[in-house]
Amino acid sequence: GIQVEQSPPDLILQEGANSTLRCNFSDSVNNLQWFHQNPWGQLINLFYIPSGTKQNGRLSATTVATERYSLLYISSSQTTDSGVYFCAVERNDYKLSFGAGTTVTVRA
Amino acid sequence: EAQVTQNPRYLITVTGKKLTVTCSQNMNHEYMSWYRQDPGLGLRQIYYSMNVEVTDKGDVPEGYKVSRKEKRNFPLILESPSPNQTSLYFCASSRRSYAEKLFFGSGTQLSVL
Repeated sequence: GIQVEQSPPDLILQEGANSTLRCNFSDSVNNLQWFHQNPWGQLINLFYIPSGTKQNGRLSATTVATERYSLLYISSSQTTDSGVYFCAVERNDYKLSFGAGTTVTVRA
Repeated sequence: EAQVTQNPRYLITVTGKKLTVTCSQNMNHEYMSWYRQDPGLGLRQIYYSMNVEVTDKGDVPEGYKVSRKEKRNFPLILESPSPNQTSLYFCASSRRSYAEKLFFGSGTQLSVL
């Protein structure tokens, strides 16, 4: 089946720093989403991004479907950005596969 | 307020005792789905529904049942729970009949003793 790999697995940032998270997938997909799971367990959709680039405040995402990867950029990180970031792809059989996540810790 | 509501938030039960976790959305969404989250394994899809009366298996459907009799409700049924079903469960919905932007419920922590 499809492999969804996220890197790095863990990231420690000083407040104000910028970072890039990566999601690679091994097969063609229908679409891709990024989520943030906060320290209380709540999952929030950040981007629905099958292709191209989107921005939302300090966050932006780029998906290059032909090369099978997506990037999530966090600029000027804040402590509230801490948590786990997941990418998820909808496969051609309409099932959803998640990556293992990147755990981000932002220190004040 | 637009939301996906799961109940209960926490549940402790014993092996073999049938249980239902409810999921309801008030956004008139077409697509609903269930996931379990386990340490080291991430989130895995159990079942999904693209519309009323249409349900399909995800990657880990064994031991679970679902139904979609109404658009707003998508309950998860464990007919005979076992300890390996101890997990954190999430319900999610999206506007269209496929996994577009997903909105998640708050989760249900299930422990099967």
